[in-house]
Amino acid sequence: EVQLVESGGGLVQSGGSLRLSCVASGFIQTYWMTWIRQAPGKGLEWVANIEQDGRHTYYLDSVRGRFTVSRDITRGAVFLQMNDLRAEDTAVYYCARHARYRFDFWGQGTLVSVSS
Amino acid sequence: QSALTQPPSASGSPGQSVTISCTGISGDVDGYTPVSWYQQHPGKAPKLMIFEVSKRPSGVPDRFSGSKSGNTASLTVSGLQAEDEADYYCCSKAGSSASVFGGGTKLTVL
Repeated sequence: EVQLVESGGGLVQSGGSLRLSCVASGFIQTYWMTWIRQAPGKGLEWVANIEQDGRHTYYLDSVRGRFTVSRDITRGAVFLQMNDLRAEDTAVYYCARHARYRFDFWGQGTLVSVSS
Repeated sequence: QSALTQPPSASGSPGQSVTISCTGISGDVDGYTPVSWYQQHPGKAPKLMIFEVSKRPSGVPDRFSGSKSGNTASLTVSGLQAEDEADYYCCSKAGSSASVFGGGTKLTVL
């Protein structure tokens, strides 16, 4: 069983930055990890993937160049650095374990609110 | 990264079956089809219900089943129960290393 706990969300002004953290209890070291977001009242949206070793990352077009995903393998943690935030980035952000194109464990989410 | 297409709503009475479709599924990858389905109750995190088209994780009732025809995947919930009322999302591969979700279907148990 894997538990994921996100933190770092909050209220920020447009153009500002936030760093989200996702700490795992349980095994994630040999898995890709993923950030997924959900705007208020909207559906799920894939945001970013990071491979096991952290060297390869992949992003949604609208966040590429502004968001950076990273991981600390020794701590079992994954991070999402979000810069130049926009109102449309307002959402609950979930981290999830990515097991061969399925997300088998999810965190409870952390809310990011960007004010314009 | 276009979203997959799902009907916005579906409904059924307790005990009935309901099927939710998801169109725009990508092709197979290394011999398997990367289609998964997630259930989300209000205010909760999504939960994996089906993966690789039709496989159920441990603990998911066998009332939930998945299938695929062409580029359309389907989730069927049989013997509807009140607790099945939730939003359901399909997900598939997009490009080489990304994923894409459907817009979601709100399932109402009448």
